[in-house]
Amino acid sequence: AQSVAQPEDQVNVAEGNPLTVKCTYSVSGNPYLFWYVQYPNRGLQFLLKYITGDNLVKGSYGFEAEFNKSQTSFHLKKPSALVSDSALYFCAVRDPLSGGSYIPTFGRGTSLIVHP
Amino acid sequence: DGGITQSPKYLFRKEGQNVTLSCEQNLNHDAMYWYRQDPGQGLRLIYYSQIVNDFQKGDIAEGYSVSREKKESFPLTVTSAQKNPTAFYLCASSLPPGSNTEAFFGQGTRLTVV
Repeated sequence: AQSVAQPEDQVNVAEGNPLTVKCTYSVSGNPYLFWYVQYPNRGLQFLLKYITGDNLVKGSYGFEAEFNKSQTSFHLKKPSALVSDSALYFCAVRDPLSGGSYIPTFGRGTSLIVHP
Repeated sequence: DGGITQSPKYLFRKEGQNVTLSCEQNLNHDAMYWYRQDPGQGLRLIYYSQIVNDFQKGDIAEGYSVSREKKESFPLTVTSAQKNPTAFYLCASSLPPGSNTEAFFGQGTRLTVV
């Protein structure tokens, strides 16, 4: 079975400071990992993904994430936060070897609040 | 523009009524999904479909029904058997199993029981 955990319900950061939103996962094989962002009353927007290769992946809006296999983590980062980054962030995992289960499993979401 | 369209954006239902939420995609994706989102609970899978005329129950299918008569369309019916239907409903689609691409989401439908 695959699962993903986002240990923080909320992350607060001052504008201009670096931000990190944490995600850990559990799969039986090598994971496909995704980050999405959701603004109020909107659908989820794709930010970035890790499939294979370089452990540091870059995505939209200046976000990046680092895949760490030994720690089973895929934390989302940004060097300098903007107030407009305030939103709900979801981590998702898929196990491509899970017997046909191609459906991603989502974390509970982390609310990022960037203070001016 | 390619994408997923959900309608309506807001929907109000009276007790005992069935309502249908629309989801249409022009991305030529085989797989489609319905999720329910409640505050603090993340996304929970209601139903999914890998191909036309086939669909499977997700984690919280009770009180819901779907159909997949066309590749582009995957409507969700919230029946009167769903005891607590007030929530934000999200439709998504993706390429077939084995693909490493991400899912694409619609803008959601907020359903409120009045």
